Amino acid sequence: QVQLQESGPGLVKPSETLSLTCSVSGGSISNYYWSWIRQPPGKGLEWIGYIYDSGTTKYNPSLESRVTISVDTSKTQLSLKLRSVTAADTAVYYCATLVGPTDHFDFWGQGTLVTVSS
Amino acid sequence: DIQMTQSPSSLSASVGDRVTITCRASRSISSYLNWYQQKPGKAPNLLIYAASSLQSGVPSRFSGSGSGTDFTLTISSLQPDDFATYYCQQSYSSYTFGQGTKLEIK
Repeated sequence: QVQLQESGPGLVKPSETLSLTCSVSGGSISNYYWSWIRQPPGKGLEWIGYIYDSGTTKYNPSLESRVTISVDTSKTQLSLKLRSVTAADTAVYYCATLVGPTDHFDFWGQGTLVTVSS
Repeated sequence: DIQMTQSPSSLSASVGDRVTITCRASRSISSYLNWYQQKPGKAPNLLIYAASSLQSGVPSRFSGSGSGTDFTLTISSLQPDDFATYYCQQSYSSYTFGQGTKLEIK
C-alpha cells in the first residue's frame, strides 16, 4: 500500500516561496498520478495540481501562474513550489494519488500546515 | 469551472438514523463524482467513487447514487464513527470539491 509523508517549513513569509516535499513509499512513483491539495483552516478542499509520467503536469487555473510540481524519481519524492505567497495561502497541504479512470483521490498523506506570516 | 454545492452544510442526527447528503453540480458531470469523509485533524478518506462504487474497506451502510448534476450520499444507519465532515468532488473537468457537510451528533 502506498504511503505518503509531507514535509517542509511550517512558516513562510509573505512574498516568498512555499516549498514542500512528499515522500512516497510502498509503490513506484512512476505508476501514479500525484496531486497536491490544500485546505485552509476551517475551510474546504482545493486541488492545486498533478504530475504524472515524471513530468507531465496540470494545474488549477487559479494557481497556475505561481505553482510548480515536480518529481524526483531517484528519491521517490514529489515536490510543490508556490511562489509569491500571501496569508490566503495558509493551509494544510496534502499530497495524494489520483486514480483513474474516474479520477478519485485514493491515498493521502497526513498533511502539513503551512502558515504565511511575517 | 464546475461548481459543486452540497446541502445541507450541517446536519444533526442520532445513532441509527438514515442520513442523506446532496451534492449538485453547476453542469452535467456524468458519473464523475466522488465522496470523502474527513475527521478533525485527518486527511480525507475516499468512500465512494464514480458516483456509486464503494471503495474497498468502506462499510456497506454507505452508498452513493446519481448522475448528471444531482448526487446523493446515504448512510443507512448512522454509527458513532460516522460523525465527520463529508465532501463531494467532481472529476469531469479539472477537480473541484463541494464546501462540505458537517454531520454532528444530535
